[in-house]
Amino acid sequence: DQQVKQNSPSLSVQEGRISILNCDYTNSMFDYFLWYKKYPAEGPTFLISISSIKDKNEDGRFTVFLNKSAKHLSLHIVPSQPGDSAVYFCAASALGNEKLTFGTGTRLTIIP
Amino acid sequence: DVKVTQSSRYLVKRTGEKVFLECVQDMDHENMFWYRQDPGLGLRLIYFSYDVKMKEKGDIPEGYSVSREKKERFSLILESASTNQTSMYLCASSEEWVSSYEQYFGPGTRLTVT
Repeated sequence: DQQVKQNSPSLSVQEGRISILNCDYTNSMFDYFLWYKKYPAEGPTFLISISSIKDKNEDGRFTVFLNKSAKHLSLHIVPSQPGDSAVYFCAASALGNEKLTFGTGTRLTIIP
Repeated sequence: DVKVTQSSRYLVKRTGEKVFLECVQDMDHENMFWYRQDPGLGLRLIYFSYDVKMKEKGDIPEGYSVSREKKERFSLILESASTNQTSMYLCASSEEWVSSYEQYFGPGTRLTVT
C-alpha cells in the first residue's frame, strides 16, 4: 500500500519556466513533509520541508505548498535551471515516528 | 557537515553469497537507516536502528539482517544473496527527536547479484 504517491514518473520543463512536482498521501497521521533531490550515483539530499501547521514554505527558488484537506503537496521551482535536472522524492513522517515514508519519485528534466 | 559513508560504490556478488554493506556516520546521530531504491518503487525502508544494538524492521526486511555494535556504524547483511536483491542500497542517519525529521544519506552502493 503506497501511502505517499508521486503520480508523474517524469516531467520536462523549459529552462526559466516554473516546474511543479506533485505528491499525494493517504495517511492522515502524517504531519511533516520533506522533499529530497537525487542526482545519479549520489545519495538523496534534503531540499525543503513543511510542517502540517503551515500551508506554504519558501526557500529561494523553491516553494512547497501543503493542502491538508486534499492530502496533497507540491514543490514549485522558479525559475527552473539545468542543474535542477534530477529525481525528486517527497517524503512524509508521522508525529513521534522517526521513519520517513518516501514516494516513488519524479524525474525532472530541464530543457535548455 | 554531516558525512555518511558507505563501504563500496559498486559491488558484484554471486547468488548464495553472504554480503556485507557497511555504513559509517560521523555526526553522532542516534538513528540510522537502510533503504533500497528501485525504479518505479522509490526508496523502501529495510531496517532502522535508533540506538546501539537496537533494530527495527522496516517495510521490506525479508532476506536481510542488520548489525549495530557501535553508534557510528550500521551494517546491512544479505545472508544468501539472490538476484532480486540487485538494487541501489542507501544508508541514512538522523538525530533523535528533532522536529525536522531530516535524514542524511550516503552516496549509495549499487549491488548486482548474478
